[in-house]
This record gives sequence, structure tokens and C-alpha cells, in this order.
Amino acid sequence: EVQLLESGGGLVQPGGSRRLSCAASGFTFSNSAMSWVRQAPGKGLEWVSGISASGTSTYYADSVRGRFSISRDNSKNTLYLEMNSLRADDMAVYYCGKDLAVADEAYWGQGTLVSVFS
Amino acid sequence: DIQLTQSPSFLSASVGDRVTITCRASQDIRNYLAWYQQKPGKAPKLLIYDASTLQSGVPSRFSGSGSGTEFTLTVSSLQPDDFTTYYCQLLNRFPLTFGGGTRVEIK
Repeated sequence: EVQLLESGGGLVQPGGSRRLSCAASGFTFSNSAMSWVRQAPGKGLEWVSGISASGTSTYYADSVRGRFSISRDNSKNTLYLEMNSLRADDMAVYYCGKDLAVADEAYWGQGTLVSVFS
Repeated sequence: DIQLTQSPSFLSASVGDRVTITCRASQDIRNYLAWYQQKPGKAPKLLIYDASTLQSGVPSRFSGSGSGTEFTLTVSSLQPDDFTTYYCQLLNRFPLTFGGGTRVEIK
């Protein structure tokens, strides 16, 4: 059974940093492109970042480019999102997703909440 | 980047109604479109992919159509469990894009 378990969310001050992790199991992690998608309270879904299966290609939404960094460790079946210079509008539930561009292979984690408050 | 515009953003309907949600792409995306259903506090659930293919386990009252720049999600007969929010999503490429969402509420 595919499982994606996000961790690392919590309360952070504006300007601060946070690293999210997504532990994957139940599929061949190194064969799947991965993404982070977020949802601010009461708002819609926003794709944040994606990474190719090998990790050699990374992609970012304009809203986070230069502040967030996506990476993966295929030996540990884990996806990461390093978030720096956090702002109030980064506050959201962050979902880890597998193969979201392929759809019939897509799978979502349950999300982790990042709260940005002074 | 490709933009997806969903309409309406809010829809009021009754149990048994047929409803249609539209998603328009800013350029030709062939059939690279998915539809998701999301309930409060939960991850999105895939309903339709490749514009018209029903995901396994999804009730047949859901259907998708379209290609190019205009797509629709139709629910043939709304059930109580269907009153929630729906999103379209671009497939096949990064950056992934989501439509703004359509909230379906009980009239």
C-alpha cells in the first residue's frame, strides 16, 4: 500500500526557516516524480514545487522560487522541502504528492500544517 | 505558464440535480487534465484523469469531457456526499497548475 507521511510542520516566525519531510513507502520511490502542494486556510490548492524521479530536475512556483528548495534522498525514500524567509502567506497545509503529473498513478499524503506567526 | 480558470466558483444545487463545472486552459493542453474532489480537512481525491477517464472506484455519476482548452466535469445526479469542493489540475508537465476550485453547496 502506498503511504506518504509528511512531517516537520509547526509554528515558525516570519523570516524563519522550516524543513518538511515526506517519508514514502509501498512503491518504488526512485521511479516517481514528487511534488509539494499547499493549501492556505480557506483557500484553493497551490502547487509549490516538483522534482524528477532522479532528483536532477527541480521546479518551483514563482511565489516560492529563491526561498524554497526541494530535494530527495532515494536511498531513504524521503522527499524534503527546505523553506526559508517564511512569510505570513506561506502559512498552509503542505501536501506531499507522488506522480501528480501522471494522475492515474497519483497519490497524496495527509498534509502537515505550517503556521507563520510573530 | 498555463493558467486554468474554473467556473463557477460557487454552485448551489439540490440532491438529484445534474451539475456541470467548467475548466478553461490558457492554451491547448490536449487532454492533459484531471479533476479532484476535496472534502474539508482531507487530501484531494482523484475523480477523472486524461480529461475523461474515470478513476477506479469512482461512481459512474461523475464524468469528464473536453480537449484543447475547454473541459467539463459533470455529476449526473448529485448525492449528499458530493456537496464539497472540486478542482481541475493540469497534467503532464511542471509547473502543475490547479484551477481555483468550485464549491458545491446544498440549495
